[in-house]
Amino acid sequence: QQPVQSPQAVILREGEDAVINCSSSKALYSVHWYRQKHGEAPVFLMILLKGGEQKGHEKISASFNEKKQQSSLYLTASQLSYSGTYFCGTENPLSGGYNKLIFGAGTRLAVHP
Amino acid sequence: EAGVVQSPRYKIIEKKQPVAFWCNPISGHNTLYWYRQNLGQGPELLIRYENEEAVDDSQLPKDRFSAERLKGVDSTLKIQPAELGDSAVYLCASSLWTGSSYEQYFGPGTRLTVT
Repeated sequence: QQPVQSPQAVILREGEDAVINCSSSKALYSVHWYRQKHGEAPVFLMILLKGGEQKGHEKISASFNEKKQQSSLYLTASQLSYSGTYFCGTENPLSGGYNKLIFGAGTRLAVHP
Repeated sequence: EAGVVQSPRYKIIEKKQPVAFWCNPISGHNTLYWYRQNLGQGPELLIRYENEEAVDDSQLPKDRFSAERLKGVDSTLKIQPAELGDSAVYLCASSLWTGSSYEQYFGPGTRLTVT
């Protein structure tokens, strides 16, 4: 039931791009993306809803493929501040119910100068 | 606007001792969540409140864990007695209904170490 995130870890140079994927074996209503820096709280990035549009904020955007039950997070021209662990949380109304997020194990991203 | 507040930030106790964590959600957020996050893993839901009512506590180990949310605002999560396996970060979150989904906002967490 836990979504699968890939890759587990990514190392980038400043300015490079990255894609983080989140796949579920269950039909999804929504996918939520968070970034967590070491020792800090997860920070909300964006929500993608079934039937909704691709979202974006500055150089971070995401897509949601309902048929494939997966979402991808795109980080463009990465900055040092992008470093952290990225989690997707999925909402599966038929299995977990609404407003109950199941989080993946995370993708650790390190951006170096 | 103040975020989700949790205390204490760190707690070290011996096994079999009790421990309690406190959470104050963002003002106006009716839904409150307690999560446990083990090292290298994503948060795992323990319990969810809608106002004062616990609407999902299916993953709360009820033999030793308890929670309450009096008056539908602050919440307390208790463990009694604590076991070594309870060492983790306990996160509180609150959410706002956007009209189509809930956006959850997390507090800084309480890092519990059981020795």
